[in-house]
Amino acid sequence: SQKIEQNSEALNIQEGKTATLTCNYTNYSPAYLQWYRQDPGRGPVFLLLIRENEKEKRKERLKVTFDTTLKQSLFHITASQPADSATYLCALDPGGSNYKLTFGKGTLLTVNP
Amino acid sequence: GAGVSQSPRYKVAKRGQDVALRCDPISGHVSLFWYQQALGQGPEFLTYFQNEAQLDKSGLPSDRFFAERPEGSVSTLKIQRTQQEDSAVYLCASSLYEGSEQFFGPGTRLTVL
Repeated sequence: SQKIEQNSEALNIQEGKTATLTCNYTNYSPAYLQWYRQDPGRGPVFLLLIRENEKEKRKERLKVTFDTTLKQSLFHITASQPADSATYLCALDPGGSNYKLTFGKGTLLTVNP
Repeated sequence: GAGVSQSPRYKVAKRGQDVALRCDPISGHVSLFWYQQALGQGPEFLTYFQNEAQLDKSGLPSDRFFAERPEGSVSTLKIQRTQQEDSAVYLCASSLYEGSEQFFGPGTRLTVL
């Protein structure tokens, strides 16, 4: 069966460190993968999209990598801040529909001051 | 400059009642999506509209779920004869066109007693 797994349900780190979140998938060959942030009581907010022909993408303190051989994406937040505390979701479009996203369960990141 | 809005934000229903959840997408957005998010899970796709046309309803859990977008703007998700397993957050998202970034609303938290 098709699955998306995010490495852990919760990750705690110290302020200033780099947070690394993992998203693994099986039985897909997605053309792209997306990362979202979700705060309690709110809908997800789009952060980054990385395409299958891109190895790495950056946006300010965020960096995403995409390894289609390993079927894995890594999401990094450098110089983390308490305001980065949230749930981070990865999502992909398994069927190539160009609209139908499948999400992972998410990883709750807590950055301690 | 409003984003996607949803109403009500919270809904409590007795088992067997019908409910209607409203979504106001960003003005001009062609695509509209409904997702269901259970506690501790990522959003799950329910249905997709392009303007007033419902192009994909493959994620609707049963025929008790019905969605419409009659004028290609506001959308309503209706759940008939609610069951306890329908308790979840229902998220609406819109995008300018198919395949572009999805903007999510805050969700409606439905609790069925």
